[in-house]
Amino acid sequence: DAGVTQSPTHLIKTRGQHVTLRCSPISGHKSVSWYQQVLGQGPQFIFQYYEKEERGRGNFPDRFSARQFPNYSSELNVNALLLGDSALYLCASSSHTTAGSPLHFGNGTRLTVT
Amino acid sequence: GQNIDQPTEMTATEGAIVQINCTYQTSGFNGLFWYQQHAGEAPTFLSYNVLDGLEEKGRFSSFLSRSKGYSYLLLKELQMKDSASYLCAVRDGGANNLFFGTGTRLTVIP
Repeated sequence: DAGVTQSPTHLIKTRGQHVTLRCSPISGHKSVSWYQQVLGQGPQFIFQYYEKEERGRGNFPDRFSARQFPNYSSELNVNALLLGDSALYLCASSSHTTAGSPLHFGNGTRLTVT
Repeated sequence: GQNIDQPTEMTATEGAIVQINCTYQTSGFNGLFWYQQHAGEAPTFLSYNVLDGLEEKGRFSSFLSRSKGYSYLLLKELQMKDSASYLCAVRDGGANNLFFGTGTRLTVIP
């Protein structure tokens, strides 16, 4: 079975531009979460979606937005990119929102802002 | 706020046992997870604790004390491939979001 897939794997953008990152969850998983991981740090929670509704939002500015589609895939959008947005963006899916269901992570999108 | 503390780096010898500690202070608690992350790769799930006590899974065990806000991951019979970062994460409340520590980078030496 395919795991969580993310695209693109690498991306280079210029300050002020916007970016769209994509994620396909494991088949049957309805919950998708997005995390930002800066080098040397643990992942930081950005968003969680379940059944196409936002279920949680981390401490990120409004430049960050996301959505989930009827097929449970998801997009993360970042506007007005800053140098500090350079990071690994991880998408994770899980089967449901109850405790105990682990998050399964994709390999991430490495975003570099110059 | 959320605060999760882990040692930054550890070194251990192949074949030995290593314990990676994690302390947490969170506004809510609904489970603690351990993940392994090799450089340049995605975190992979290792273990989950929601009740106090020890969970054993092969060479890996994880312990939780909710009253102390403390967990540890125990790795036995260390192998070179165990060199990786180990992330402690707490699920806060009913949502699915996890709060991660900065990770412990473990180096296994011959």
